This record gives sequence, C-alpha cells and structure tokens, in this order.
Amino acid sequence: QQPVQSPQAVILREGEDAVINCSSSKALYSVHWYRQKHGEAPVFLMILLKGGEQKGHDKISASFNEKKQQSSLYLTASQLSYSGTYFCGTERNDMRFGAGTRLTVKP
Amino acid sequence: GAGVSQTPSNKVTEKGKYVELRCDPISGHTALYWYRQSLGQGPEFLIYFQGTGAADDSGLPNDRFFAVRPEGSVSTLKIQRTERGDSAVYLCASSSAGFTDTQYFGPGTRLTVL
Repeated sequence: QQPVQSPQAVILREGEDAVINCSSSKALYSVHWYRQKHGEAPVFLMILLKGGEQKGHDKISASFNEKKQQSSLYLTASQLSYSGTYFCGTERNDMRFGAGTRLTVKP
Repeated sequence: GAGVSQTPSNKVTEKGKYVELRCDPISGHTALYWYRQSLGQGPEFLIYFQGTGAADDSGLPNDRFFAVRPEGSVSTLKIQRTERGDSAVYLCASSSAGFTDTQYFGPGTRLTVL
C-alpha cells in the first residue's frame, strides 16, 4: 500500500525551513528518503530502520516515529540545490513510494 | 566506480510490439529492483531480485510483464504486446544486500508506446 506524503508541494525562500511528512496505514520495517530532480534518477538521502530513530547530515534530517508508521523529513536553512521532488519509500518486504512532494527553493 | 546503467535510454514502439529493457547493476550488488514511474508520480515497484531469483514479483501489473536475471547480474525486463498505458520511465536500482540498504538508481529507460 502506497504511503501518503504531505504536503504535495511547497515553495520556500532560500534559508527557510520545511517539513515533509510520510505516513502509512501499517507498521513499517524501514523508511527511505530520496530526492529526484527533473529528468534525473532518484538520489538516496537516508534510511531509517528503527522506530524512534533520527538521522541527519548537513541540514537535512529525518525521524521515524515509535509506532513505525510515520516519518518526517526536515530541511533547515534551505538552499537552491534542495529544489526537487522528495519521495519517501516504505518497506514491508517490498518497496512502495509516495506520490512525492515538490519542493521549490527560490532566491 | 560505475553506477547502475540502463539501455536503451529511450524506446519508442508501436502498440502490440515486444520490448526488452536492460539493466546493469553496480558490480557486486546482489539485490536488483525494477520500478516504473509515470509523470508526476513516485516510482511504482515492479519486481525485486535477490541473486538470480525473483524474491518478490508482486508489483508486475499482469502476465505481459516478465523479468529475468539469469546470472545474478544483468537483468532484462520484458514486455509483451505493449499497450499505450505501458508508457513510462522504467527505473532499475541495485543495492548491496536488500531493502535495508541504499538503493542506487539508474538513469531509466523512457518507453513510449504509440
């Protein structure tokens, strides 16, 4: 079953923060986050394997809630290079991706 | 090192024809995945190989779709009697072990069925 992402789209000014949410109706084994720029393949950001886990690098971080049915991606002090479509992928013996969140960062 | 490669990059075919799409995973990666992505949507899972065997083919939409990985490396996705609704970008990814590892995506094959 496909996870639900929100919001569908967000527009930011450079330096602003954003949160992208991903939820599932069932408990998950892991959550994967990818970013895809137009006309390119998805690029891996991070995987969260355990409920309660939080990860981050640079100014992008994510959390995976205790009940393992929801994850959030946090982008702080956004840069122009953050623009793209963000997908969460949820794993329960297969991989289902959400419909994506289109993020646009403007100068 | 080389990433995941896919050929052809573009394929235009007529309704009813047979097509083959090829994926070369990263060397040493035992897991290989096929997805298809329609415009404005996330990748849709098709099939997952662990080594030579299809560990999960639950995403294949119908029996016109088939995929093989005979030597545990290169994989071919085969579509028979193509339909206009099969038009999409077909993405291949590989990972070192399984779903808990990073999936590295190839550039995709854009299939257009006229």
